[in-house]
Amino acid sequence: DQQVKQNSPSLSVQEGRISILNCDYTNSMFDYFLWYKKYPAEGPTFLISISSIKDKNEDGRFTVFLNKSAKHLSLHIVPSQPGDSAVYFCAASVTGTASKLTFGTGTRLQVTL
Amino acid sequence: NAGVTQTPKFQVLKTGQSMTLQCAQDMNHNSMYWYRQDPGMGLRLIYYSASEGTTDKGEVPNGYNVSRLNKREFSLRLESAAPSQTSVYFCASTGKRGGRETQYFGPGTRLLVL
Repeated sequence: DQQVKQNSPSLSVQEGRISILNCDYTNSMFDYFLWYKKYPAEGPTFLISISSIKDKNEDGRFTVFLNKSAKHLSLHIVPSQPGDSAVYFCAASVTGTASKLTFGTGTRLQVTL
Repeated sequence: NAGVTQTPKFQVLKTGQSMTLQCAQDMNHNSMYWYRQDPGMGLRLIYYSASEGTTDKGEVPNGYNVSRLNKREFSLRLESAAPSQTSVYFCASTGKRGGRETQYFGPGTRLLVL
């Protein structure tokens, strides 16, 4: 039972445009959500997070939106840069913290010139 | 400050062999985790340790054991390796960055079981 789903395995975006990565979840008890970026042969690195009491969080070029009624979150990257090309994972927790995370399957983003 | 370190980086085992994957963090974090990443599966939690002296099973614990040796170190042991355990293994610890709690990951151990 995949509680966190990333239905798009890959996404290609032109440099300078907006990248939108999507994530759906089924467990209504999830109350803390995170996005990670992963380059080949490296561990995932933290990008941005959001608590279920908010519906938006921004950090520079990265914005995460949370729609609790739809059980959906998205990561917007504006503007996209070639260095953003990586695999992006969303993750969720029921503890309000970053303990015991459930990860999605990942979306590979390619930013083209 | 090295963050989370893992050894070895790469290992080839034959079916039935045993090995221990080592993980250490120098950030004074209480909680540590072991994940495996398989193609199309994301990261799945094998075991975790909320604090020194405690360990608990995650989503996929079968075939693995762990030891929380001290606050810094959390090892993962495969007693009798199977081809199904071919994967990339990540160790992580929980801490705060910019006021937000997150998990910090090591670079991973690639394991091939023949």
